[in-house]
Amino acid sequence: GAGVSQTPSNKVTEKGKYVELRCDPISGHTALYWYRQSLGQGPEFLIYFQGTGAADDSGLPNDRFFAVRPEGSVSTLKIQRTERGDSAVYLCASSSLGLHTEQFFGPGTRLTVL
Amino acid sequence: DAKTTQPPSMDCAEGRAANLPCNHSTISGNEYVYWYRQIHSQGPQYIIHGLKNNETNEMASLIITEDRKSSTLILPHATLRDTAVYYCIVRVYTGNQFYFGTGTSLTVIP
Repeated sequence: GAGVSQTPSNKVTEKGKYVELRCDPISGHTALYWYRQSLGQGPEFLIYFQGTGAADDSGLPNDRFFAVRPEGSVSTLKIQRTERGDSAVYLCASSSLGLHTEQFFGPGTRLTVL
Repeated sequence: DAKTTQPPSMDCAEGRAANLPCNHSTISGNEYVYWYRQIHSQGPQYIIHGLKNNETNEMASLIITEDRKSSTLILPHATLRDTAVYYCIVRVYTGNQFYFGTGTSLTVIP
């Protein structure tokens, strides 16, 4: 594909609901990252996949957040019992294997929890 | 990973060089300096990275001080399209996390 794509571009939900955010990485990229960006802040790391497995999930804020990448390509970030504080732009990035490989970012999903 | 300190905002006249400073005084020997930028409503975009030596590519130059405690990103001829938030990041070369900080908001003025 041309680049990293994320769907939906915008998601509005109510407090307490469940949401899923999707990321389609660049074809062939084995590494995939999720970040969260609040207004006026830089992106904050959430989780990193190498292939199908989560190699580093230390950035997930709590157990309401979960991400999967079952076939080593598309990834879904899942948020249970959403709270107003979860409102942010959720960014996905992918990269190929190797040292110093560039992370290519998608446009993000803007999540608003009412 | 080491943290970075950047000025919150800067202005630059169109056509002039933009020099964006970054302090990373606690950087360790195996940490690289990366620069990304984020244009409004888009995802961050890679610019350049380096360890010790100065680096140059088609977008910018990266000057790292000899003690590696600070660096400067240089956009040689700033255009209006260079208006963005610029993030200086230090990262262990095998590490997976980028700590972005709050960056420098660069405004290029016509």
